[in-house]
Amino acid sequence: GENVEQHPSTLSVQEGDSAVIKCTYSDSASNYFPWYKQELGKRPQLIIDIRSNVGEKKDQRIAVTLNKTAKHFSLHITETQPEDSAVYFCAASTGTASKLTFGTGTRLQVTL
Amino acid sequence: GAVVSQHPSWVICKSGTSVKIECRSLDFQATTMFWYRQFPKQSLMLMATSNEGSKATYEQGVEKDKFLINHASLTLSTLTVTSAHPEDSSFYICSARRGVSSDTEAFFGQGTRLTVV
Repeated sequence: GENVEQHPSTLSVQEGDSAVIKCTYSDSASNYFPWYKQELGKRPQLIIDIRSNVGEKKDQRIAVTLNKTAKHFSLHITETQPEDSAVYFCAASTGTASKLTFGTGTRLQVTL
Repeated sequence: GAVVSQHPSWVICKSGTSVKIECRSLDFQATTMFWYRQFPKQSLMLMATSNEGSKATYEQGVEKDKFLINHASLTLSTLTVTSAHPEDSSFYICSARRGVSSDTEAFFGQGTRLTVV
């Protein structure tokens, strides 16, 4: 089955700096890669996603890149703000079962 | 976006009792729903795939007799934790996708925090 690895597990940046979180996946058939932000005790919120036919996608301060050959994808957050502090999960989806496999999560802390 | 509603949002039960959690897709039909479990400071781990009108597909290591899943309609899946024990205490989250393609957005319920005492 699919295996998704995520790094780093914790990330502390100063407000205004950029944050980068990286994920690798194992199943070359995976075709959908969403990123979620989860605050304590709440449901994951989709912040951006990318499909396998696209290499890069941007939405304001958030961007995702996908390298299918290397089987890795990354989340980039620019001009970080304190409200960006949360746990971020990457995920990969594949096959007729359409199930999502999640990375281990990154706790992002944006300090003033 | 689509709405998935989960109920209850939290429940406390005594050891040995059973607890039922409901997951509803409010504005779309979902032939497949997914149940995840999340322990504190950990990731979401898929427990099972709920299939409307047929048996659920359980992930390796998940006891199907302990975590009963029923998907009786296109908008409702239920997860029953039977004979709950303290180690079953966790955050349970359901998910559904509009459509069957693997590259469509997944929508999550609010989650249910189960505490077994």
